[in-house]
Amino acid sequence: AQSVTQPDIHITVSEGASLELRCNYSYGATPYLFWYVQSPGQGLQLLLKYFSGDTLVQGIKGFEAEFKRSQSSFNLRKPSVHWSDAAEYFCAVVLNAGGTSYGKLTFGQGTILTVHP
Amino acid sequence: DSGVTQTPKHLITATGQRVTLRCSPRSGDLSVYWYQQSLDQGLQFLIQYYNGEERAKGNILERFSAQQFPDLHSELNLSSLELGDSALYFCASSVGAAGDFETQYFGPGTRLLVL
Repeated sequence: AQSVTQPDIHITVSEGASLELRCNYSYGATPYLFWYVQSPGQGLQLLLKYFSGDTLVQGIKGFEAEFKRSQSSFNLRKPSVHWSDAAEYFCAVVLNAGGTSYGKLTFGQGTILTVHP
Repeated sequence: DSGVTQTPKHLITATGQRVTLRCSPRSGDLSVYWYQQSLDQGLQFLIQYYNGEERAKGNILERFSAQQFPDLHSELNLSSLELGDSALYFCASSVGAAGDFETQYFGPGTRLLVL
């Protein structure tokens, strides 16, 4: 079964510092990959997604992610973190073929980001 | 604002009871997805409906059921509630049936507390 692992449960960075959140997936083929952000009391907002093509994907709010097939990873990065980036971040995958898992997003456990002033 | 609405925002009920959660998708979206977020299980896919028909099923308990109506809104029915059903329930919507490469837009969620 496909799975998504976010190794870091909680990360703390200083405002202005760079950020990298890790995501690894386990799946035989290349899945479709997503990063979502959940602010306290809010729903999930899509930051970016990768389906194919250029392995470096740009998203909203200054985020980017790089797909590395050899490492089965899709890490999220931001060069300079703002206090408003404090939230929980979820990596997710979905099968890129039809079948009973159609549309089913499989989420990682999430990484909580704390930003110090 | 994603355009997906969910009601109610909060729900407190007792064990053994039945509740109904409602979701209205974004205008034009035909697919509705339900997810459960709990501390021990994380975010889990429950079920997907497309244009009124069940499309995909995940880890949905038999005590739970859902449907999508002709106006495309969806309801998630939870019955014989247990303490462990306390969670945040999200609805998401997408344009078509091929959710694998479509963006799913999430609502703000309904927080259910079972006492």
